Amino acid sequence: EVQVVESGGGLVQPGGSLRLSCAASGFTFSNHWMTWVRQAPGKGLEWVANINPDGSGKSYVDSVRGRFSISRDNAKNSLYLQMSSLRAEDAAVYYCAASLVTAAYDSWGQGTLVTVSS
Amino acid sequence: DIVMTQSPLSLPVTPGEPASISCRSSQSLLHSDGYNYVGWYLHKPGQSPQLLIYLASNRASGVPARFSGSGSGTDFTLKISRVEPEDVGVYYCMQALQSPNTFGPGTKVDVK
Repeated sequence: EVQVVESGGGLVQPGGSLRLSCAASGFTFSNHWMTWVRQAPGKGLEWVANINPDGSGKSYVDSVRGRFSISRDNAKNSLYLQMSSLRAEDAAVYYCAASLVTAAYDSWGQGTLVTVSS
Repeated sequence: DIVMTQSPLSLPVTPGEPASISCRSSQSLLHSDGYNYVGWYLHKPGQSPQLLIYLASNRASGVPARFSGSGSGTDFTLKISRVEPEDVGVYYCMQALQSPNTFGPGTKVDVK
């Protein structure tokens, strides 16, 4: 069974840092693109970043570029999102998702909540 | 960045009746491989988003046949042939042709 499970969310002060993790199982992790998507309270889905199968290609939405870093460890079947200089507007549920079909994300985790507040 | 728009933004539906959502992109989503790089997602309350349609018209694994996708270039449509009560939620189109990938604003579907 394909599964992705996020962890690492929590309460952080503005300007602080947090590292999200995503553990994948049930598929050959090293063969697939992975992404982070977030949903702020009362808002729609926002694509945050993605990474290609070998980790050599990464893309970010403008609002997080330079503050967030996506990475993966294919030996550990894990995806990460290092978030720094966090702002109130970064508060959201962050979802990890895998692309097992072309150009779409078909396996999603349950999400992890990030709260940014003093 | 490619901007995705959807209409309507709110769609009251009657179970058993058909429903349709439109999605438009600011640029063509036609890839050089001949496929349109657009997908449809449903986000039900309290659940994770789920993929319904990929490459404009391919149903994802396990998705009921009442869901169908069509369109090409910049105009796409998601159709539900007969709405079931469990189809309520927010529907999003998303383009994966360029980074950043971008979602539409969402269409909230609820029962009349």
